[in-house]
Amino acid sequence: EAQVTQNPRYLITVTGKKLTVTCSQNMNHEYMSWYRQDPGLGLRQIYYSMNVEVTDKGDVPEGYKVSRKEKRNFPLILESPSPNQTSLYFCASSRTGVGHETQYFGPGTRLLVL
Amino acid sequence: EDQVTQSPEALRLQEGESSSLNCSYTVSGLRGLFWYRQDPGKGPEFLFTLYSAGEEKEKERLKATLTKKESFLHITAPKPEDSATYLCAAMEYGNKLVFGAGTILRVKS
Repeated sequence: EAQVTQNPRYLITVTGKKLTVTCSQNMNHEYMSWYRQDPGLGLRQIYYSMNVEVTDKGDVPEGYKVSRKEKRNFPLILESPSPNQTSLYFCASSRTGVGHETQYFGPGTRLLVL
Repeated sequence: EDQVTQSPEALRLQEGESSSLNCSYTVSGLRGLFWYRQDPGKGPEFLFTLYSAGEEKEKERLKATLTKKESFLHITAPKPEDSATYLCAAMEYGNKLVFGAGTILRVKS
């Protein structure tokens, strides 16, 4: 089954404790992206990757890092989480970038930073 | 600044009561307008992409239309299973999607 998976689905952590949220897709997609979703603000793009070793900032990249060493994986790293990063995070992928391609979303990771 | 605004924020309909959701956008050089459906606790699910003014697409009880400044998602004779949050997103030149905040639709039987 074609899918985008994220782990963990739920995470409670404390300020300053580094964490990684994994994202993996099995569709051989080149484009992958991370979003955060907050009430009243909609989905905002954090980072995206056009292909292996190619990443770029979205609208809200501050406090986040990403890497794309393999085509299927695109982890999101929070080096020193803060309470304002409490949010619902989605990973998405598409075949060849956003242009004219449908993005497929993962199930989401709900993060609480205390 | 690129912006996508959806209205209303929430909509309650009786089963069978048709209505429309609005998505207005101000992006420089629209390359596409996307509609997604999102169920509670799940990721957005793709519905439609519209590329040019005048374009229309249909899927079951849903029909999406596009003008130069806005898009509409028309829901004909909705059923309770159509209850969800509907998101629109505008794709500008480059590789960025700008999302609206969504419309929460509740259809009561």
